[in-house]
Amino acid sequence: GENVEQHPSTLSVQEGDSAVIKCTYSDSASNYFPWYKQELGKRPQLIIDIRSNVGEKKDQRIAVTLNKTAKHFSLHITETQPEDSAVYFCAASSGNTPLVFGKGTRLSVIA
Amino acid sequence: GAVVSQHPSWVICKSGTSVKIECRSLDFQATTMFWYRQFPKQSLMLMATSNEGSKATYEQGVEKDKFLINHASLTLSTLTVTSAHPEDSSFYICSASDDFKTQYFGPGTRLLVL
Repeated sequence: GENVEQHPSTLSVQEGDSAVIKCTYSDSASNYFPWYKQELGKRPQLIIDIRSNVGEKKDQRIAVTLNKTAKHFSLHITETQPEDSAVYFCAASSGNTPLVFGKGTRLSVIA
Repeated sequence: GAVVSQHPSWVICKSGTSVKIECRSLDFQATTMFWYRQFPKQSLMLMATSNEGSKATYEQGVEKDKFLINHASLTLSTLTVTSAHPEDSSFYICSASDDFKTQYFGPGTRLLVL
């Protein structure tokens, strides 16, 4: 089955700097890669997703890149703000199987 | 759009009792609902996948007789933790999807078994 590895487990950045979180997956059939943000005690919120027919997708300060050959995808947050502090989860799915989540990255943005 | 509610938001119960958690999709029809358990500072662990009108598919290691799942309609799925014990204390989150890909999460239920 699918296995998703996520790095780093914790990340601290200064406000205004960029943050990058990387994930790798094992199943070449996976074609859907969402990213979720979870604040303490709250539900995961979908912040961006990418499908395998696209290499990059951007939404304001957030971007996701996908390298299907290498089976890895990354989340990029630019101009980080304190409210970006949360746990971020990547996930992968082939569409016929449930999402498999990474272990999460705890991002701290220091003002 | 894509709002998912979950009830109750938290529950405290005595060991041995059963607890029912409801998950509702409020503005769309969820052909599939997922149930997760999340321990502190850990990732989301999928417990089971349920499709409306059919039996749930449980992940390996999840006891189907202990965690009863019912998906009676396109907007409602329930998880019943039977004979709960302290080790069942956790944060239970459901999610709903109408295309098996994009998942929208409920706010979660925090269960504490004394």
